[in-house]
Amino acid sequence: AQKVTQAQTEISVVEKEDVTLDCVYETRDTTYYLFWYKQPPSGELVFLIRRNSFDEQNEISGRYSWNFQKSTSSFNFTITASQVVDSAVYFCALSEAVAAGNKLTFGGGTRVLVKP
Amino acid sequence: DADVTQTPRNRITKTGKRIMLECSQTKGHDRMYWYRQDPGLGLRLIYYSFDVKDINKGEISDGYSVSRQAQAKFSLSLESAIPNQTALYFCATSDHLPGRGRTGELFFGEGSRLTVL
Repeated sequence: AQKVTQAQTEISVVEKEDVTLDCVYETRDTTYYLFWYKQPPSGELVFLIRRNSFDEQNEISGRYSWNFQKSTSSFNFTITASQVVDSAVYFCALSEAVAAGNKLTFGGGTRVLVKP
Repeated sequence: DADVTQTPRNRITKTGKRIMLECSQTKGHDRMYWYRQDPGLGLRLIYYSFDVKDINKGEISDGYSVSRQAQAKFSLSLESAIPNQTALYFCATSDHLPGRGRTGELFFGEGSRLTVL
């Protein structure tokens, strides 16, 4: 069975600090997809990124960057120069690619609090 | 208007009552899902449906049932609500497996907060 672990339950930083969220996953599939979602205080879930298991290139989008390392089964997320608007719960999720369709297995989430 | 709409957004009910949460979508997606969110546990899959005649149990289906009335509608029922079903419930849709030009992401509704007293 697949599993996603986000060991950090809550991280508190001061604005402009960098923050890295850890995500470790388990799966028996060789083809799978990893996702990050953001849940701001308003409660909706916002898609941030998808990465497939064959693409280990790191990705950067503005102040967000993702480090995918298959060797350690990790897909970590870094917010550079954090802002108060980054305060949210962030979820890492895993989808097996074939028969399971794209049902996502979520980690427990990491709450990020950015203080001014 | 939201692409994925859930009703009601908030509901307080008593133990033993039957509750239905409804979800409708305008994205034209075949696949729909119901998730439950509890603090520290993330989101867990209750049921999912890949088309109108397809219903599948997820990780935590006990105590729940679903109905896929149409491509655009997927409802979740609690036949006899109990306090540990107090949670935030999300409906989601997706078009297909991730592929060329598709992210495979789930599109979520705004959530339905259910409290069972």
